[in-house]
Amino acid sequence: GEDVEQSLFLSVREGDSSVINCTYTDSSSTYLYWYKQEPGAGLQLLTYIFSNMDMKQDQRLTVLLNKKDKHLSLRIADTQTGDSAIYFCAEMRLGNYQLIWGAGTKLIIKP
Amino acid sequence: SAVISQKPSRDICQRGTSLTIQCQVDSQVTMMFWYRQQPGQSLTLIATANQGSEATYESGFVIDKFPISRPNLTFSTLTVSNMSPEDSSIYLCSVEDWDYSGANVLTFGAGSRLTVL
Repeated sequence: GEDVEQSLFLSVREGDSSVINCTYTDSSSTYLYWYKQEPGAGLQLLTYIFSNMDMKQDQRLTVLLNKKDKHLSLRIADTQTGDSAIYFCAEMRLGNYQLIWGAGTKLIIKP
Repeated sequence: SAVISQKPSRDICQRGTSLTIQCQVDSQVTMMFWYRQQPGQSLTLIATANQGSEATYESGFVIDKFPISRPNLTFSTLTVSNMSPEDSSIYLCSVEDWDYSGANVLTFGAGSRLTVL
C-alpha cells in the first residue's frame, strides 16, 4: 500500500476550518511537509514540521504531528475561496533526501 | 528560497516526437530533481540530476526515454523522447533548498504541461 495516505477530497464551507489529514508509515521521518498545488500551477511549499515537534502554527495554518500514531494534519482556519487547491503531504526520511508523497487532497470550498 | 523558471509551460506534441524541457535556477544548487505528475495523480520522481555526473533514474524510468542534461549548477534539461499519449503529464523541476530557519525543503518550478496527441 501507499507509504503516505491522504483522503482524496475534502469539502468545507467558506469561513469554516478545513482539516486535512495524512498518515505515514516510517518512524524515521525527519521532516513532514505540506505543499499546495493550485489549478495549472506547480507546487508551493505551505509549511513543514520537524519530527521532534508536535505543533506548528503559521497565521491561518496549524500543523499537528502525532508521532505515536504517525498522523499529520493541516488545519486551515477561516477557509477562503483562494484556498481551493490540492494539498500534498510528504515526508523526508532520515538519510534519504527524496520525499515520499501522498496522493493529494482536493479541497473544495462551498459558498 | 530559490526561484525556478521552467519552460515551456505547456505544449501540445505529436506522437513520436521529442520535447526538451528546460529548468533554470537563480542560484547554484547541487541537487535537481525531475518529477512527473500524471493527470489526477501524485508526484513520481523520474530522476535526480547532479552536475558533473550521470543522472540517477528511478525504477521504471530509463535514460533513453528521458535523457537529462545538467551542464552547470543552475540549469538542467529533461527530454521526453518518442512521445506517446501515455506521456501526457505535468513535468516538474525541483531543487533541494533551505528555508530561512535552515530546514531542508524542495522548491518547485511551475511545471510543464505536455499533451501528446
